[in-house]
Amino acid sequence: QKEVEQDPGPLSVPEGAIVSLNCTYSNSAFQYFMWYRQYSRKGPELLMYTYSSGNKEDGRFTAQVDKSSKYISLFIRDSQPSDSATYLCAMRWAAGNKLTFGGGTRVLVKP
Amino acid sequence: GAVVSQHPSWVICKSGTSVKIECRSLDFQATTMFWYRQFPKQSLMLMATSNEGSKATYEQGVEKDKFLINHASLTLSTLTVTSAHPEDSSFYICSARDPAGSGGQPQHFGDGTRLSIL
Repeated sequence: QKEVEQDPGPLSVPEGAIVSLNCTYSNSAFQYFMWYRQYSRKGPELLMYTYSSGNKEDGRFTAQVDKSSKYISLFIRDSQPSDSATYLCAMRWAAGNKLTFGGGTRVLVKP
Repeated sequence: GAVVSQHPSWVICKSGTSVKIECRSLDFQATTMFWYRQFPKQSLMLMATSNEGSKATYEQGVEKDKFLINHASLTLSTLTVTSAHPEDSSFYICSARDPAGSGGQPQHFGDGTRLSIL
């Protein structure tokens, strides 16, 4: 079993819909949680960054962390075709350097 | 936002040659940088952690003599693929940890280097 599980998709939604993404993990030592967006043949771009449990909102993006369930989510409101990309969750220990990534979910937003 | 520059973006070379990839943090000093490898439709695989002024720490299974890492300054790390062969063809991505970043020092990624060995 992988430390971080993420549905590979593809997840196809119509333009304007809410995109809902999630990851589950097994290591309770993870304290920092991140969501990255990666376009084809580009490096990952940091979208959201949260510490421990709770919600964080930034524009159209909302990240949620539920440490008791070992479950994190990313919601994208009013989705646009330009949101079509692969979304990677990542997490790390409080004192650690390394990121542990999920496998990524491919999202397609259709006009 | 924080910017990490990676160069070159794409390189094609003959089998047996060595290839150097540069990773620069443009607006912050990065004591720690990371090198990843990504195969098509797969997630990122950490190869090594590069610390300024000291030897890199390689992940299990990564040949340190094959993938030479140098982190000579707080803004530059280089990865040299020595005597490259077709099986080394891949997408290589670097990242840098922003020590002043809010919260827990997030990693910011370069745009990757596509390496094709003929």
